[in-house]
Parts: sequence; structure tokens; C-alpha cells
Amino acid sequence: GQNIDQPTEMTATEGAIVQINCTYQTSGFNGLFWYQQHAGEAPTFLSYNVLDGLEEKGRFSSFLSRSKGYSYLLLKELQMKDSASYLCAVCDQTGANNLFFGTGTRLTVIP
Amino acid sequence: GAVVSQHPSRVICKSGTSVKIECRSLDFQATTMFWYRQFPKQSLMLMATSNEGSKATYEQGVEKDKFLINHASLTLSTLTVTSAHPEDSSFYICSARLGSSGNTIYFGEGSWLTVV
Repeated sequence: GQNIDQPTEMTATEGAIVQINCTYQTSGFNGLFWYQQHAGEAPTFLSYNVLDGLEEKGRFSSFLSRSKGYSYLLLKELQMKDSASYLCAVCDQTGANNLFFGTGTRLTVIP
Repeated sequence: GAVVSQHPSRVICKSGTSVKIECRSLDFQATTMFWYRQFPKQSLMLMATSNEGSKATYEQGVEKDKFLINHASLTLSTLTVTSAHPEDSSFYICSARLGSSGNTIYFGEGSWLTVV
């Protein structure tokens, strides 16, 4: 089975840096995704990590430690439009490489 | 880039009726598609994995006779909510995998179902 944990809500200030953590337990780990989801819309892809380390993409970075079952998403230079839910999803190769999602972290960016 | 389209984006149906949601991969073939359900302020919950030409694999707790999934071609999967009830009202999202085993997955726009 899968067990994916994220904080439910976070608040950060415009221009600041925020780190959203995700811990997971899964039997057949085959990569971890981060998605952004605005209310009422489908998720949009942010990052994919399958090896340990940091992946940087503009203002967004994602880190993975497979031995610790831990990932984080780092958002720099926060903008108001970054207010959204951030979903951590783990790919489990036990079945059909299904994606299983955490509860999501609702980030509110304040002026 | 690759696009996955869902239709309808919003649907209202009467309790007891059935409603079909389509998920299409517009410019690639998708051997595997996934159906998710999302209740307000909750995360996506995987309902089933849809494989072209074979029966769908349902997650525990999802009634396969209520949520009928058909993946008749490499570009189309359908989810039919049968005998819908108000508690089935939710946001349904499909995703499609690019290739047979890769980790590139594209999401549809989602479909809002309201059962009255």
C-alpha cells in the first residue's frame, strides 16, 4: 500500500521562500511527482524525481531522498498566483505504475 | 504538447440516472488511463486503472458495477456513473500515460458532476 503525508495548509509572504514537505511509504517506489492545482481545475505538472537529489526548474525546486522516503518542493520568490494546492504523488510500480496522491498542501500567499 | 481532453466539463443529472464522462488523448496513444475522483478540499483519489482492450482494475472500495469503465481504443476511455446519487457529486479527473510504461502522465481538465 501507500502512505503519503503532507501538511494540510501553509501560509507564506509574497517574495519569500516556502518549503512543502512530503513523506511517503510505498512498496514499489518508481518516482515522485509534484503537481499544482488551483481550485476547480485539474492538476498541472511541476516536477518529477526518481533519483536522490535536487531538481531545479526556475522558481521551483524538488528534492528527493529515497532512503528517507522524503521529498520537498521549494518555491522561491513567491507570487500571489502561487496560492494553490500542491500535491505530492508517488508512482507505485507494483501495479500499473499508478499515481497515488497525498492529501495536498493548500498554500496561501499573503501580501 | 500532448493534450488530454475530458467531456463534459460540467454535467448535472437527476438521481437514479446514468452519466458518461469521456477522456480522450488528442495527439498520442494511451495504453493506460487513470480515473480519479476529488471531493471538495480533498486530494485526488485513484478510482481505477483503465487498460485498452481489457478490464479496468479498480481500487479497493470502488464499486465496479457502479463506475463502469471502458477503454475501447488507444485514445478513448469512458467512465459511466450508473444510478447516480447525490453523494456521487464530485470532480472526476482522468489522466493518460504517454507510452506503455513511462512516467509521463497528462491530466484531463476534469469533469464536475452534480447529482440532484
